[in-house]
Amino acid sequence: EVQLLESGGGLVQPGGSLRLSCAASGFTFSSYAMSWVRQAPGKGLEWVSAISNIGGSTFYADSVKGRFIISRDSSKDTLNLQMNSLRVEDTAVYYCAKARGDRSSRGMDVWGQGTTVTVSS
Amino acid sequence: QSALTQPASVSGSPGQSITISCTGTSSDVGGYNYVSWYQQHPGKAPKLIVYDVSNRPSGVSNRFSGSKSGNTASLTISGLQAEDEADYYCSSYTSSSTVVFGGGTKLTVL
Repeated sequence: EVQLLESGGGLVQPGGSLRLSCAASGFTFSSYAMSWVRQAPGKGLEWVSAISNIGGSTFYADSVKGRFIISRDSSKDTLNLQMNSLRVEDTAVYYCAKARGDRSSRGMDVWGQGTTVTVSS
Repeated sequence: QSALTQPASVSGSPGQSITISCTGTSSDVGGYNYVSWYQQHPGKAPKLIVYDVSNRPSGVSNRFSGSKSGNTASLTISGLQAEDEADYYCSSYTSSSTVVFGGGTKLTVL
């Protein structure tokens, strides 16, 4: 069964850091691009970041550029998101999502259950 | 990276058809055939229902169909069913090699 399982969410103060992870199983991880998508409470989906299948290319939304770093470890089939200089507006459920191909352009066909990040003092 | 424009809500009766629009620019929707649509039920993760403008993943009902004209993409749901009541989001690849979502549309089945 194709599955994504996020972890690492929690409560952090503004200006703090948090590292999210997403464990992939049931598919050849290194063949697919991966993305992070977030959803603030009661709001819509917001694309955050993507990484190509072998990690050579990374992409970020303007809202997180320079603060978040996406990475992947194909030896562990894991996707990561290092979040620094966190702001209150980063509060959201963060989803890990698998792309349909080696780039993030053509839709995300598998999603994790999400992990909640709360930034508050 | 401005969000794509969707109507906030649409409604229809069981058996009817509805269409949700998704308007972008020539730098996203109009420039690429990489529009996707997602269905999200409350408290659940999104589900891909259309990719590459008009293609359906395996297992998705053929009651869902997508199209595009210029900078506007559309999702049509025919033969509305109670379980179709959900939030729907469009997304598009952009000229900046990023992805942008629409604001979402809440579908109510009357």
